[in-house]
Amino acid sequence: EAGVAQSPRYKIIEKRQSVAFWCNPISGHATLYWYQQILGQGPKLLIQFQNNGVVDDSQLPKDRFSAERLKGVDSTLKIQPAKLEDSAVYLCASSSWKGGERTQYFGPGTRLLVL
Amino acid sequence: SQKIEQNSEALNIQEGKTATLTCNYTNYSPAYLQWYRQDPGRGPVFLLLIRENEKEKRKERLKVTFDTTLKQSLFHITASQPADSATYLCALALTGGGNKLTFGTGTQLKVEL
Repeated sequence: EAGVAQSPRYKIIEKRQSVAFWCNPISGHATLYWYQQILGQGPKLLIQFQNNGVVDDSQLPKDRFSAERLKGVDSTLKIQPAKLEDSAVYLCASSSWKGGERTQYFGPGTRLLVL
Repeated sequence: SQKIEQNSEALNIQEGKTATLTCNYTNYSPAYLQWYRQDPGRGPVFLLLIRENEKEKRKERLKVTFDTTLKQSLFHITASQPADSATYLCALALTGGGNKLTFGTGTQLKVEL
């Protein structure tokens, strides 16, 4: 079974520029999550999708961050404009919820450096 | 405010010994707690889940305990090996939270020969 795919793996941008990350979850997983992990900290949930609907985006800085999952499969996370404090690893995860499954499967992450 | 605390200092132990990692939380009523392993440059990998009505769970060399009175979970790795060296994250999910996980900061474990 293929895992969660993310691209790009690394990105370096100047502050005030825009950047987008892509995630392809495990096939058949209805739930998709985007996390931000700052160095030395645990992942922080930014947004959770159930199919193509948003379940929770309470911690998403909506003035600069946006995310979509138009067809209920792939998802993109965008930052516009980026700030220095956005430097972090952006992790995508998916889960199936079938049969009480609660495991979240994470991708390798996109490492963002904002200069 | 809600807090999840894990040992911020790295834990160094000798091969063959039992490693014990701690996860303490305040102002939460978790439905379940999960432990993940994270290697450098990779995403977290699920290890174990324990529900609020369970005291202990085991999987091979891994054991998790959950004390909702103390608001604490302990994660044990018996007969530790250098390959167990990684950062271990605990994560809590609240009842009715839609599987939304809140992660601790993680504890780095180093198993030395």
